[in-house]
Amino acid sequence: DTEVTQTPKHLVMGMTNKKSLKCEQHMGHRAMYWYKQKAKKPPELMFVYSYEKLSINESVPSRFSPECPNSSLLNLHLHALQPEDSALYLCASSQEFEGFSSAGELFFGEGSRLTVL
Amino acid sequence: RKEVEQDPGPFNVPEGATVAFNCTYSNSASQSFFWYRQDCRKEPKLLMSVYSSGNEDGRFTAQLNRASQYISLLIRDSKLSDSATYLCVVNSGSQGNLIFGKGTKLSVKP
Repeated sequence: DTEVTQTPKHLVMGMTNKKSLKCEQHMGHRAMYWYKQKAKKPPELMFVYSYEKLSINESVPSRFSPECPNSSLLNLHLHALQPEDSALYLCASSQEFEGFSSAGELFFGEGSRLTVL
Repeated sequence: RKEVEQDPGPFNVPEGATVAFNCTYSNSASQSFFWYRQDCRKEPKLLMSVYSSGNEDGRFTAQLNRASQYISLLIRDSKLSDSATYLCVVNSGSQGNLIFGKGTKLSVKP
């Protein structure tokens, strides 16, 4: 079982809805990530938080809004999504994120499978 | 040239076969290299890190060639349970975030 917990596992939402994806880890990791994965494609990085501060935003549209309330929690707020945003959203954590020499093992949650109607 | 390139496969092999996957990366400043495994509709999981000197973990051997910017994964005595997609992962160098290859699908048949 993964030590990174994501809820909900499945989410169906309309284009006008507001919803949130949640992620939790209790491994003491200081870096947390959101990835998006479409079918038969590799995970694509969306955001990185390091020590609860946003370190990387890979030019993600503003309809995706990340939030890191504390070192164990990571949220992804969703608003006015498009059908093409339907995908598996993976949360991950790692011990540290220190730029150049960083990013050791990533621990992934099982993902939240999002369908936008 | 894409940052991390892999042969997508699929590789269809019989049980007991030896299979090798290759991966090339474009950023010569990359420092960290990994192989992840992803089962169908599951999350990726670390299979092994790749070290300059090469490393082995049971039936799995990973090698790195920095000069050619090339990483390999060798699986010996394939098992049915090895069927999965194998993702080559490289840190981007400049910012440190990890870049995933598209993955190589392996199917081990009885």
